[in-house]
Amino acid sequence: GAGVSQSPSNKVTEKGKDVELRCDPISGHTALYWYRQSLGQGLEFLIYFQGNSAPDKSGLPSDRFSAERTGGSVSTLTIQRTQQEDSAVYLCASSRPGGLGSPLHFGNGTRLTVT
Amino acid sequence: QKEVEQNSGPLSVPEGAIASLNCTYSDRGSQSFFWYRQYSGKSPELIMSIYSNGDKEDGRFTAQLNKASQYVSLLIRDSQPSDSATYLCAVISSGSARQLTFGSGTQLTVLP
Repeated sequence: GAGVSQSPSNKVTEKGKDVELRCDPISGHTALYWYRQSLGQGLEFLIYFQGNSAPDKSGLPSDRFSAERTGGSVSTLTIQRTQQEDSAVYLCASSRPGGLGSPLHFGNGTRLTVT
Repeated sequence: QKEVEQNSGPLSVPEGAIASLNCTYSDRGSQSFFWYRQYSGKSPELIMSIYSNGDKEDGRFTAQLNKASQYVSLLIRDSQPSDSATYLCAVISSGSARQLTFGSGTQLTVLP
C-alpha cells in the first residue's frame, strides 16, 4: 500500500507564526514517531505514539511544540511562535505491531524554514 | 553515555572494497537492531534488520550481531559509489517506552 505521507513537503514561515505539520502513517501501523533533523545532523527524537497508550513526549524541545494523533492514525505536529532555530526537516515514521520490534518506515519529511 | 554510538566518520573506501560500519549499544536487554541508509537530502530507508546473534546476509550487505559484546556491524561488499551515504544504526531497547533509538550515523564515501 501507500507509504508514510507527510504534508506539506516544504514550509516557509515567518518567525513568530504557528505551523502545523501533518503525517499520515501506513495503514495498520500502530506506532508513530516524529523526528527532527537539522542540516548535517542526526535524527533528533521528538515524540512517539503507540496505539492508545500515553505518548512519549520526552523529546519535545520546548512547550512551543505539541503533537496529537487522532483516531490512532493521522498525526499533527504543531509548533507555536516559531523561531529560526526550529528550521529543520521534520520526519515522521510509522511501524506495525511486532513481537521483536518492527522497523520504521519514514515519510519524505517536511522541510521547515523560519525566516 | 549515549545509548547507541557510531563513529561519525567520514569513512572512505575505494570502489570494490569492503566497507565496515560499527555500532555499539548500552542496553544489554536490546532485542532488535536495524541499519538504515540515508542519502543526502532524503529520508532514511531500511536496509537490514537483525534479531539474533551471528550474521545475516542480503546481497552485498551483511549485518553482524554480538549481544555479549553489545555491538552490531554492517559490512558492504564490493562497495559502489552509489553506496555513498550516511548509515544509521537503530536499536530497540528492552525497557524503553520510546522503543527505537538511533545512533548519530556514519558517513560513508566510496571513491571511484
